[in-house]
Amino acid sequence: QVQMVESGGGVVQPGRSLRLSCAASGFNFRSYAMHWVRQAPGKGLEWVALISSDGSNILYADSVKDRLTISRDNSKNTMFLQMNSLRAEDTALYYCARGKCSGGMGSCYFDSWGQGTLVTVSS
Amino acid sequence: EIVLTQSPGTLSLSPGDRATLSCRASHSVSSNYFAWYQQKPGQAPRLLIYSTSNRATGIPDRFSGSGSGTDFTLTISRLEPEDFAVYYCQQYRLSPITFGQGTRLDIK
Repeated sequence: QVQMVESGGGVVQPGRSLRLSCAASGFNFRSYAMHWVRQAPGKGLEWVALISSDGSNILYADSVKDRLTISRDNSKNTMFLQMNSLRAEDTALYYCARGKCSGGMGSCYFDSWGQGTLVTVSS
Repeated sequence: EIVLTQSPGTLSLSPGDRATLSCRASHSVSSNYFAWYQQKPGQAPRLLIYSTSNRATGIPDRFSGSGSGTDFTLTISRLEPEDFAVYYCQQYRLSPITFGQGTRLDIK
């Protein structure tokens, strides 16, 4: 069955870095665009970034552009999120989500989700 | 950016009732690019509806979606105890992908 497991979250001081991973199984990983979606404690969902199936196309939310970098290794069925210059407002549960896409770049809904990894930015 | 506004913020109903959840977009969204998700406490969101009215795999037929332009609706025909959760709408016509703020469906 489709499964995605996030890891790498933790408590980090403002301005520091963290790298999240999403290990996928049960489907042909290299055929799907993949996304990160986050949810601040007690809040709603916020799309963060997407990477196309072959890694050649990437989009970011304005709130994370230039600080977060999405990447993937199709040989290891794994996606990453390098988080630099972290801020208190980046505190959230970060979900890995599989995209079902049509039309233009970023025209995706999310048909499978991991359970998330919690990032807390605090001094 | 397309802003999605869900109403009501909280809906209190009883099992067996009909639930109607609304989502209004700040700009017109093609009906091919609208989805709904359910999220229960401590769980990841689950896809319910995509392309406005298509049920995802395994979703019961008491869930239905409709709408066009700027107004979209999720209807749950007869509420079951497991349907009480938070529901989010999403547009994926234009980048950035955006979600509504959620509607909490509570047991009355």
